[in-house]
Amino acid sequence: DAGVIQSPRHEVTEMGQEVTLRCKPISGHDYLFWYRQTMMRGLELLIYFNNNVPIDDSGMPEDRFSAKMPNASFSTLKIQPSEPRDSAVYFCASSYSASSEAFFGQGTRLTVV
Amino acid sequence: RKEVEQDPGPFNVPEGATVAFNCTYSNSASQSFFWYRQDCRKEPKLLMSVYSSGNEDGRFTAQLNRASQYISLLIRDSKLSDSATYLCVVKGGDSSASKIIFGSGTRLSIRP
Repeated sequence: DAGVIQSPRHEVTEMGQEVTLRCKPISGHDYLFWYRQTMMRGLELLIYFNNNVPIDDSGMPEDRFSAKMPNASFSTLKIQPSEPRDSAVYFCASSYSASSEAFFGQGTRLTVV
Repeated sequence: RKEVEQDPGPFNVPEGATVAFNCTYSNSASQSFFWYRQDCRKEPKLLMSVYSSGNEDGRFTAQLNRASQYISLLIRDSKLSDSATYLCVVKGGDSSASKIIFGSGTRLSIRP
């Protein structure tokens, strides 16, 4: 398996623009997680899905952020409109079961100018 | 209070030394525990799971103390390649059984 695949790897956008981050989890994994990492706040869980259903979105910063998982092999995290404080590395991770470890994608480094 | 707390370090130790990290968690209903390693500008990767009875993987030993709600990682005979950030990870709880929470990480630097 190729592991968790995220795209793009890097994104530079202007404030106010819409940004869409994409993730393909490992096949057969029922859980998908979106994290944001910054120097100041570390790794923050934004939202996670189980069998394509959002379970906990309490970490989503505000209404500008939304996430979807239309099927078992694809998820998106959208920021609209983007702001400079959204600049961070966004990681997607997946896990097989409720008790198993999570495997991470390589992340998307987002810069909003 | 953060759900998972770690000493951020940095720990700067000579090669060959033994170093230990601790991590505390606030949710007593947490079910699974892990240590991850993250290299600079890379994604976190699983180092080892932490079992109730404690477990060892080569130079690495992990311990769990449920009563005191802390997890530890011991690295013996440290190598230069051990330099990284070590993240304590707690999974599960009463309100959200599969939620995975990361500590902020402890930076380790091994000097020659």
